[in-house]
Amino acid sequence: GQQVMQIPQYQHVQEGEDFTTYCNSSTTLSNIQWYKQRPGGHPVFLIQLVKSGEVKKQKRLTFQFGEAKKNSSLHITATQTTDVGTYFCAGRGNNFNKFYFGSGTKLNVKP
Amino acid sequence: NAGVTQTPKFQVLKTGQSMTLQCAQDMNHEYMSWYRQDPGMGLRLIHYSVGAGITDQGEVPNGYNVSRSTTEDFPLRLLSAAPSQTSVYFCASIRTGGNYEQYFGPGTRLTVT
Repeated sequence: GQQVMQIPQYQHVQEGEDFTTYCNSSTTLSNIQWYKQRPGGHPVFLIQLVKSGEVKKQKRLTFQFGEAKKNSSLHITATQTTDVGTYFCAGRGNNFNKFYFGSGTKLNVKP
Repeated sequence: NAGVTQTPKFQVLKTGQSMTLQCAQDMNHEYMSWYRQDPGMGLRLIHYSVGAGITDQGEVPNGYNVSRSTTEDFPLRLLSAAPSQTSVYFCASIRTGGNYEQYFGPGTRLTVT
């Protein structure tokens, strides 16, 4: 079945360093979403990417969708302690109603 | 708007017991879904519904039942709880026709002993 792999599982950075998490799908995705989950909280929607090669920015966050629509990345520039949490990608394939989440990357930022 | 609400927040069951996790949304969203979250495994889709009276299976539907009699409510039933169902359960809803942003409830932490 459809699988979305996400790496790394954990990332510990010093405040001010950059951070990147990657998602790879075994099949072509129709689109991909990114979510952030704070410790003890629920996932919160960040963004959706739809087009091949799409790049979107939200302040210090940059999201990319690969040309083949099989991979995606989230890059945070100059991390802050408020960036702490787990970042998930969620892809949709041919069945538009089913989301396949990556396993998440847990980000810890040391002040 | 309260958004997506879930009850209870915590629950402990014995093996073999049944129970219903409640989920409600007041945003008039057509799409609702249930996920379970286990350490290191992300969120896995259990069941989803694209509207009242319509439900379908996700990745891991075994041991769970759902029904959707109204737009607002989407309860998840555990028929005979097993320790493997110990998890955190999230309900989510989507306003179709938009960017398919999922709004998640606060979650229910379930332990089966």
